[in-house]
Amino acid sequence: QVQLVESGGGLVKPGGSLRLSCAASGFTFTDYYMSWIRQAPGKGLEWVAYISPSGGIIYDADSVKGRFSISRDNAKKTVYLQMNSLRVDDTAVYYCARGGDWLDPWGQGALVTVSS
Amino acid sequence: QSVLTQPPSASGTPGQRVTISCAGSSSNIGGNFVYWYQQLPGTAPKVLIYKNNQRPSGVPDRFSGSKSGTSASLAISGLRSEDEADYYCSAWDDSLSGVVFGGGTKLTVL
Repeated sequence: QVQLVESGGGLVKPGGSLRLSCAASGFTFTDYYMSWIRQAPGKGLEWVAYISPSGGIIYDADSVKGRFSISRDNAKKTVYLQMNSLRVDDTAVYYCARGGDWLDPWGQGALVTVSS
Repeated sequence: QSVLTQPPSASGTPGQRVTISCAGSSSNIGGNFVYWYQQLPGTAPKVLIYKNNQRPSGVPDRFSGSKSGTSASLAISGLRSEDEADYYCSAWDDSLSGVVFGGGTKLTVL
């Protein structure tokens, strides 16, 4: 079955860095766009970034532009989110999802807490 | 402030029909597909409606989606207690070059 498993979340100090990974299985990874979406505690969903199957097309939200970067390793069937210059308001559960605008399915999420 | 506007809450009794609205603009809903997601407490979102009005296999036909101009709505008929969840609409936004979500609607089954 189609499965997405995020890893790499944790506690980091403001200004620090973290890299999230999302391992995919059960589908042809190279056929799909992949996305990251986040949800701050008690808040709604916020799209973060997406990447094309080849990695040649990347879009990201203004709120993370210049700080976060999405990438993928098709041989490993894994998509990454490198997060630099983290701020307190980046605290959220980060979900990866298959697709660009049609997001299906979603992973279980990885909690990132930015706090001193 | 979300780009797509949803009511923060909705409610109904078992068996009733409820609708959740989602208002956008020409750069998002007006020119692109609308998607609806259901997020049960403590779980990841899952898609309920794709491409305005299509249901994935496994989603009951009690759920339906529609779009008109720059607005969309999700209808849930025969409301059940297990429908109590947060519901989000989304669409691609041509001006922002990204996906935009509504702020979410918390559905309570009374």
